Amino acid sequence: GAGVSQSPRYKVAKRGQDVALRCDPISGHVSLFWYQQALGQGPEFLTYFQNEAQLDKSGLPSDRFFAERPEGSVSTLKIQRTQQEDSAVYLCASSLIVLAGEETQYFGPGTRLLVL
Amino acid sequence: AQKVTQAQTEISVVEKEDVTLDCVYETRDTTYYLFWYKQPPSGELVFLIRRNSFDEQNEISGRYSWNFQKSTSSFNFTITASQVVDSAVYFCALRDNYGQNFVFGPGTRLSVLP
Repeated sequence: GAGVSQSPRYKVAKRGQDVALRCDPISGHVSLFWYQQALGQGPEFLTYFQNEAQLDKSGLPSDRFFAERPEGSVSTLKIQRTQQEDSAVYLCASSLIVLAGEETQYFGPGTRLLVL
Repeated sequence: AQKVTQAQTEISVVEKEDVTLDCVYETRDTTYYLFWYKQPPSGELVFLIRRNSFDEQNEISGRYSWNFQKSTSSFNFTITASQVVDSAVYFCALRDNYGQNFVFGPGTRLSVLP
């Protein structure tokens, strides 16, 4: 079956613009995660959904960042009033089961955001 | 706090050489999980292996092998007879038993030259 897909793959925004990044998880996957990956760094956790419920948003860097998964499938990460420090790759991952240490996350190709 | 260190920022080898990528972790948990992911130029993270803290048996999968040593808090990854297609950034990661605190190391960029 299809893997995790993300769109757009690349996004250039002017500082102050709002952006919306989309994630289509693997069908049937319960858990969905968003990560931010700065250049030359490992991914850093942003937020976690179990079905449509956002159970952890402790990694969101500011209140300009907002994520939703209204029907428990597709998720959107929205960044309002983008700043240059928001430039990064945003990765989405999904997993079959609820949050647990042993579950495996499957990652999408990411959206590379550049804020000018 | 959990932490993962990958001291090697970049490694270059010639095809067919063996190469070991180091990973050292810190955690106060007694139960935890360790992972390796590969990130090719296309960008997605590809899962390679998961190991729980109670299983120190080394694992081999084709040209890949992993050496987990709890005594030194290390989970090293060896590629035998490297190939150009192995060129990628490799991440080691640590996760607690509840699935939270998924912490990635900074990654090691491996270049395999023909």
